[in-house]
Amino acid sequence: GNSVTQMEGPVTLSEEAFLTINCTYTATGYPSLFWYVQYPGEGLQLLLKATKADDKGSNKGFEATYRKETTSFHLEKGSVQVSDSAVYFCALSSSNTGNQFYFGTGTSLTVIP
Amino acid sequence: DTAVSQTPKYLVTQMGNDKSIKCEQNLGHDTMYWYKQDSKKFLKIMFSYNNKELIINETVPNRFSPKSPDKAHLNLHINSLELGDSAVYFCASRPRGRTEAFFGQGTRLTVV
Repeated sequence: GNSVTQMEGPVTLSEEAFLTINCTYTATGYPSLFWYVQYPGEGLQLLLKATKADDKGSNKGFEATYRKETTSFHLEKGSVQVSDSAVYFCALSSSNTGNQFYFGTGTSLTVIP
Repeated sequence: DTAVSQTPKYLVTQMGNDKSIKCEQNLGHDTMYWYKQDSKKFLKIMFSYNNKELIINETVPNRFSPKSPDKAHLNLHINSLELGDSAVYFCASRPRGRTEAFFGQGTRLTVV
């Protein structure tokens, strides 16, 4: 079956620190991979995506590379800001399962000045 | 303009009541979803519709019934509400030929 495992939080970083949030997946077929972000009191926003192996998704300084050999899609940012404080969700979607989304448990990030 | 719009944003109701949450998307998307987010932020699929037809119906109590009057709307009706139904419910939609989904702002349901 399909599933996503991401690192447990919460994560607390100082401003300008380097961020990595690990995400690994299990899937049948060739899934698309996503990172969604949820700011306090808001819905989920697509942060970035990758649809095939070796693709790199990037947005707002965040990056993640689709690694089929390690079944991973780790999120990175070189220098975090206070405004990046949010909950980050790794997710996959596959046409084999009706294109529904499977989410990880979410990782809460707090960036302190 | 909000692309995926849910109403209400907050809903507080007593056990045993029947309530509805409405979802509308003005993006022309073919596929719509309902997800439930529990108190630990875990998101789980409930239903998925494609062009008004049900394609995914996960194991949820039959007190929950989705209704899609047209392609732009997917409403969620809940009968005989229970304490355990308290959660945030998210509607989402996905365009044909694309992989990503767009989520609404969520409806926080509190059953007392």
